[in-house]
Amino acid sequence: EDQVTQSPEALRLQEGESSSLNCSYTVSGLRGLFWYRQDPGKGPEFLFTLYSAGEEKEKERLKATLTKKESFLHITAPKPEDSATYLCAVHSSNTGKLIFGQGTTLQVKP
Amino acid sequence: DAMVIQNPRYQVTQFGKPVTLSCSQTLNHNVMYWYQQKSSQAPKLLFHYYDKDFNNEADTPDNFQSRRPNTSFCFLDIRSPGLGDAAMYLCATSRAGAQETQYFGPGTRLLVL
Repeated sequence: EDQVTQSPEALRLQEGESSSLNCSYTVSGLRGLFWYRQDPGKGPEFLFTLYSAGEEKEKERLKATLTKKESFLHITAPKPEDSATYLCAVHSSNTGKLIFGQGTTLQVKP
Repeated sequence: DAMVIQNPRYQVTQFGKPVTLSCSQTLNHNVMYWYQQKSSQAPKLLFHYYDKDFNNEADTPDNFQSRRPNTSFCFLDIRSPGLGDAAMYLCATSRAGAQETQYFGPGTRLLVL
């Protein structure tokens, strides 16, 4: 069964304290892994798409990496404005749909 | 800027009173999706349109219907809202199938009294 698991569920960091969020997946025929940021009461905002193991993408303080089993979202020197829920989703060729993880809620304290 | 727009942002309805949520897009994407997201949960796909082809998820209640009169607009109709239908409703679009990036609107928060 296709499954996406994100860890940790919640993460509290001090401003400037770098860390990583994990997205583990079991899916038949990966055809894309997506990272989104979601602020409270708003729709998910697209961050990255990764298609193959070894691929990396960066945007400001964020860097996403992909292996055959998991993806990491690395946050370097986070700021309070990086506080949000980060969602990982995987496209399954089995179902033709996006499978979402439950998200990691990040809080960055000044 | 090209975008996905949802109206209204907040909707209050009464138990059993039909309600319609709307979504429009300026991206000229072929596929439009409706998701339901409850507090602290992942978005749950209700249905999607690939052009005019409607695809309903097997576990989407019959109470939920959708219309796509043209490429730009898509509507979500809830025929008889129950208390359990209170949620954030998200519209998303993609150029082609779900293997391509989906872009989400800001959502409509539905409250059922």
